[in-house]
Formats: sequence, structure tokens, C-alpha cells
Amino acid sequence: AQKVTQAQTEISVVEKEDVTLDCVYETRDTTYYLFWYKQPPSGELVFLIRRNSFDEQNEISGRYSWNFQKSTSSFNFTITASQVVDSAVYFCALSEAENNAGNMLTFGGGTRLMVKP
Amino acid sequence: GAGVSQSPSNKVTEKGKDVELRCDPISGHTALYWYRQRLGQGLEFLIYFQGNSAPDKSGLPSDRFSAERTGESVSTLTIQRTQQEDSAVYLCASSLPQGYTDTQYFGPGTRLTVL
Repeated sequence: AQKVTQAQTEISVVEKEDVTLDCVYETRDTTYYLFWYKQPPSGELVFLIRRNSFDEQNEISGRYSWNFQKSTSSFNFTITASQVVDSAVYFCALSEAENNAGNMLTFGGGTRLMVKP
Repeated sequence: GAGVSQSPSNKVTEKGKDVELRCDPISGHTALYWYRQRLGQGLEFLIYFQGNSAPDKSGLPSDRFSAERTGESVSTLTIQRTQQEDSAVYLCASSLPQGYTDTQYFGPGTRLTVL
């Protein structure tokens, strides 16, 4: 069965610090997708990135970067030069190719990031 | 274009009453998902629709929960005889036709409070 673990329940940083959010997953599938979503205080989940299991290239988008390592089953997310607007709960999620539930996402418990001015 | 919409945004009900939650997916998205998010927790999968059929209902927590979908549009999640443990935010998501490559886009959720 699939599982996603976000060991950090809460992180507090000061603005402009870099911060890394950890995500470790378990799956028996060889084909799967990994996702990160942001949930700001408004509550709506905002899609950030999708990564497939065959592409281990790291990705950078502005201040955001993602490090996917199959050897350690991790998909970590780094925010560089954090800003107060980055304050939110961040969820890592996994979608397996072989299930009867379409793209059903298995979510981690989330990491609450607080960026202080 | 318009995103996923859900109604009502908030619902307060008394224990034992039935409630109906509605989801309007993004136009053209044939796949639709319901999730539940309890306070301070991650999301739990409830049910998935491909078109108007639901091949996987395994996530529904009890037989008090049911869901329907009309064609490839609106879906309703019904909770009968609500209990206090049903209090949560119910989130709906939609995506393009089935395939593990397809990203789910979420609605704003319905916050259900059972007194």
C-alpha cells in the first residue's frame, strides 16, 4: 500500500531564510507521480508541481526547487529566500498508476510553514 | 476558465440530520474526486468518478456516505444521519480523463460542522 510521510509537522523561519520541507513515500509501483500542493489560510489547495517516477531531474521554479531521489524515496521541496506569503500548509502526495481509483492521491500529513517578518 | 466550485462553503447541522454537498468540476474534466480533511490533518480519499460511474468507493467511511454524479458534470456527496466525527472540510477535485499523469485541481471545499 502507498504511504506518504511528512515528518515535519511545523516549521518556523524568519523571512529570507531558506527552508526545506521533507517528503518520504512508499509504493510498490514502478510507475507513479509525486505532487506538492500549497494550502494557504484561505483553505484552497494550490497545485505546485508534478513529477513522474522516471524523471529524477531536479526542478527549479523561481524561489521553489524540488529534489527527487528514488534511492531514498524522497521528494523534498526547498523555498529559497522565504517570504511571509509563503506561510501555508504544504502537502506532498503520491498517485500510483495501478489502482482502480484513477489518479487517487495519497497525501502526507502536511507541514505548516510559518514565515515571520 | 472557471475552476472547481463547491457549495455550500459552510454547513452547520445537527447530529442525525442528512446533508448534501455539491461539486461543479472544471468543464471537460471527466474525472472527479472527493476527499475529506479533518482539522489539522491531511486529506483522505473518499470516492472517484470517471464520467458518472464510480469504480472505487472503498474510501467511503461508512454506509451513511454516498455520492452521485450526473454525466460528466455536477456531483453530490450525501451524508445521512450525520455524526460529530463527520465534521471536516470536504474537498472536491477534478482532472482530465483517467491516467496517472493528470493533475487534480481542487475546489475551495465545504466546511461541515455537526453539532
